[in-house]
Amino acid sequence: DAKTTQPNSMESNEEEPVHLPCNHSTISGTDYIHWYRQLPSQGPEYVIHGLTSNVNNRMASLAIAEDRKSSTLILHRATLRDAAVYYCILLREGAQKLVFGQGTRLTINP
Amino acid sequence: EAQVTQNPRYLITVTGKKLTVTCSQNMNHEYMSWYRQDPGLGLRQIYYSMNVEVTDKGDVPEGYKVSRKEKRNFPLILESPSPNQTSLYFCASSNERSYEQYFGPGTRLTVT
Repeated sequence: DAKTTQPNSMESNEEEPVHLPCNHSTISGTDYIHWYRQLPSQGPEYVIHGLTSNVNNRMASLAIAEDRKSSTLILHRATLRDAAVYYCILLREGAQKLVFGQGTRLTINP
Repeated sequence: EAQVTQNPRYLITVTGKKLTVTCSQNMNHEYMSWYRQDPGLGLRQIYYSMNVEVTDKGDVPEGYKVSRKEKRNFPLILESPSPNQTSLYFCASSNERSYEQYFGPGTRLTVT
């Protein structure tokens, strides 16, 4: 499985945008970039995924570098409820096993 | 409401006493799996199932059994629990055509 690298922790303020980076320099052509998050005392929750183009959904945006060696999850206007551990995961096309790294612990200040 | 349920949510047991953690999903998903989460080790897959009667080992299957007799249920069985199986367990499911996996709320197991 290709490896991802994320900062251990990040901090932001409520109602400000948050950019969570992820490096995946060994990504292969059929690897999708997935983001999950885990709120305190809950199971992981799907956030977004993409392959090459930037993606938007109701929760977040995903910006993928042109060479696909890095990506950024963007929370446009953070709320206290967005405080969680965010995981960047590479998933090969057709695969189902999620390999979770250590993730980024995001703290949101009121 | 689409969901994955697990029972029990909390369990304290003793070494060697067989236990089963149930997992059920109401989304008609083909794929189901079990993960355990330990501090510093992240989530690791224990077993998975691609469909009824089809199961396979994940990364850490030792000491665990599973079965998939019905599409909606995927119980995790610990025949003889040991203290190193003290962990937080999550069940997940997904449609074979969808990349989104749905996770249950977790079962915190303590084996003394």
